[in-house]
Amino acid sequence: DAGVIQSPRHEVTEMGQEVTLRCKPISGHDYLFWYRQTMMRGLELLIYFNNNVPIDDSGMPEDRFSAKMPNASFSTLKIQPSEPRDSAVYFCASSPGRDPGSDIQYFGAGTRLSVL
Amino acid sequence: GQNIDQPTEMTATEGAIVQINCTYQTSGFNGLFWYQQHAGEAPTFLSYNVLDGLEEKGRFSSFLSRSKGYSYLLLKELQMKDSASYLCAVKDTGRRALTFGSGTRLQVQP
Repeated sequence: DAGVIQSPRHEVTEMGQEVTLRCKPISGHDYLFWYRQTMMRGLELLIYFNNNVPIDDSGMPEDRFSAKMPNASFSTLKIQPSEPRDSAVYFCASSPGRDPGSDIQYFGAGTRLSVL
Repeated sequence: GQNIDQPTEMTATEGAIVQINCTYQTSGFNGLFWYQQHAGEAPTFLSYNVLDGLEEKGRFSSFLSRSKGYSYLLLKELQMKDSASYLCAVKDTGRRALTFGSGTRLQVQP
């Protein structure tokens, strides 16, 4: 299996621009998670989906952030408009969903976003 | 809510043993995970504990005490490649997402 695939790996953009991050989960996994990692705040959950349905978006910072999962093999995280404080590494993870407790999350390589 | 504490940095010598502690407070505990993250890379799963006691997996072991809200990760026979950040993460009942600690950066010296 190719694992969780994220694109792009690096993104540099200017303040005010729209940014779209993409994720392909591991085939057969029912859960997809978006996390953000910064030096100040560590690794934080933004949103997660179960069978393409958003379950918990309490970590989404504000209305500038939106996430979709149109099918089982693709998800996007969009920031519009972007701000310098959005600069971070954004990770996508997926898990099989068979057991609520021991379910292991597998992470993609991340997208390093820099907003100038 | 949850509160997870880990030391920020640790240094150890190649071939030695190191213990990385994690304390947590949570309203409904449903498992504790340890992940390893090398600089610039993704976190990778190391271990999972839900019952009290020690789980051993090769050079790595993880211990859990639910009554104390405490876990540790034990790394034996340290190798240079073990230099990385180690993230403690807790799962709440009824929730699939993980809450991560800030991570412990381990530096292994020759």
